[in-house]
Amino acid sequence: ETGVTQTPRHLVMGMTNKKSLKCEQHLGHNAMYWYKQSAKKPLELMFVYNFKEQTENNSVPSRFSPECPNSSHLFLHLHTLQPEDSALYLCASSQRQGEAGLEQYFGPGTRLTVT
Amino acid sequence: EDQVTQSPEALRLQEGESSSLNCSYTVSGLRGLFWYRQDPGKGPEFLFTLYSAGEEKEKERLKATLTKKESFLHITAPKPEDSATYLCAVQAGRLTFGEGTQLTVNP
Repeated sequence: ETGVTQTPRHLVMGMTNKKSLKCEQHLGHNAMYWYKQSAKKPLELMFVYNFKEQTENNSVPSRFSPECPNSSHLFLHLHTLQPEDSALYLCASSQRQGEAGLEQYFGPGTRLTVT
Repeated sequence: EDQVTQSPEALRLQEGESSSLNCSYTVSGLRGLFWYRQDPGKGPEFLFTLYSAGEEKEKERLKATLTKKESFLHITAPKPEDSATYLCAVQAGRLTFGEGTQLTVNP
């Protein structure tokens, strides 16, 4: 595996379900990010982890719960979601957080549909 | 608050018809401007980083330029495989993305 991988690629869940999204980066990076991409809207930053520590939570509802056990893996735990949470969820990584000009590399995303 | 506006929202070109995409930004203390390409159902793919006004970068048929208020992505003699959504993002603290320009190149 190379780059940033995400599983599953597609997920359909009911509003009462609990599910988790997984992200793994194979780039030796130390910062990882969760973004939400909805139709006709810019990418929205959700969470940032730098060296396994959460450094940003962009006012995300508590029904989204991130977990970063090490610098290579990032999870997003989902429970009691709403239909408006349906979107493409993207994981990204960079060498470090916040340093000028460090590009982020994105995974392919998980297409989430909440019914 | 950092703002990024991309125009046009959508652009249709004939193969070989050169054009430019615009990214206008308002940010306090620009630390980098990024261009990404996103294909349907995929994550954004990094293209360029620009740091300061006057800087230019090129990759195949793409050339990115930067001024103090905007960036342009010039596409020279595009091919159908250049069809994608092109995203611009500015970095002050976090990255702030624009909504993107959806480019379609017809054969």
